[in-house]
Amino acid sequence: ILNVEQSPQSLHVQEGDSTNFTCSFPSSNFYALHWYRWETAKSPEALFVMTLNGDEKKKGRISATLNTKEGYSYLYIKGSQPEDSATYLCARSAGNNRKLIWGLGTSLAVNP
Amino acid sequence: KAGVTQTPRYLIKTRGQQVTLSCSPISGHRSVSWYQQTPGQGLQFLFEYFSETQRNKGNFPGRFSGRQFSNSRSEMNVSTLELGDSALYLCASSLEGGAQPQHFGDGTRLSIL
Repeated sequence: ILNVEQSPQSLHVQEGDSTNFTCSFPSSNFYALHWYRWETAKSPEALFVMTLNGDEKKKGRISATLNTKEGYSYLYIKGSQPEDSATYLCARSAGNNRKLIWGLGTSLAVNP
Repeated sequence: KAGVTQTPRYLIKTRGQQVTLSCSPISGHRSVSWYQQTPGQGLQFLFEYFSETQRNKGNFPGRFSGRQFSNSRSEMNVSTLELGDSALYLCASSLEGGAQPQHFGDGTRLSIL
């Protein structure tokens, strides 16, 4: 994998469903993996930054895991709510380079 | 604590003109990054400034330039505007380090006629 790739591109779920998305990235020279939520008409909001293989982070109903050896991260949302509707972006930085390379995002729509 | 402030919010220009966008970071943040967002392209990294020095640069033509002042405020300049420069330009500030979360402004929506 040369770039940061996210799947699925979009997702529609019902309120109360649990869901998860994938972020795949080059595993070489890994430094950090970021997750952001971007709601319509707002600016991106940081959710998690993870650096260590096996890292797991949680914020309310949202959690994320990191596998730096195989180059992927999962974002989980438990019991989705309409207010979770947003685009979820991941980004990777490598080595000492603080430049973030971004995926195209997963667009989540939660139907009430 | 005040967030990242970008001005102006909206801008309409014509081809060939130049434009300057401004970004005031969160107090204490010395790193400022600029991004271009167009439909279907995702966030494209333009450049990052730290302590008045450009530390990283993306793959954009020389028409795109920036600078950072001693108070960490940053400006981005685009000269000889083209239709394809129409986009949302986002600025983000953070503490030192690539493992620090970025805090985004609301962006400047630039339209080129």
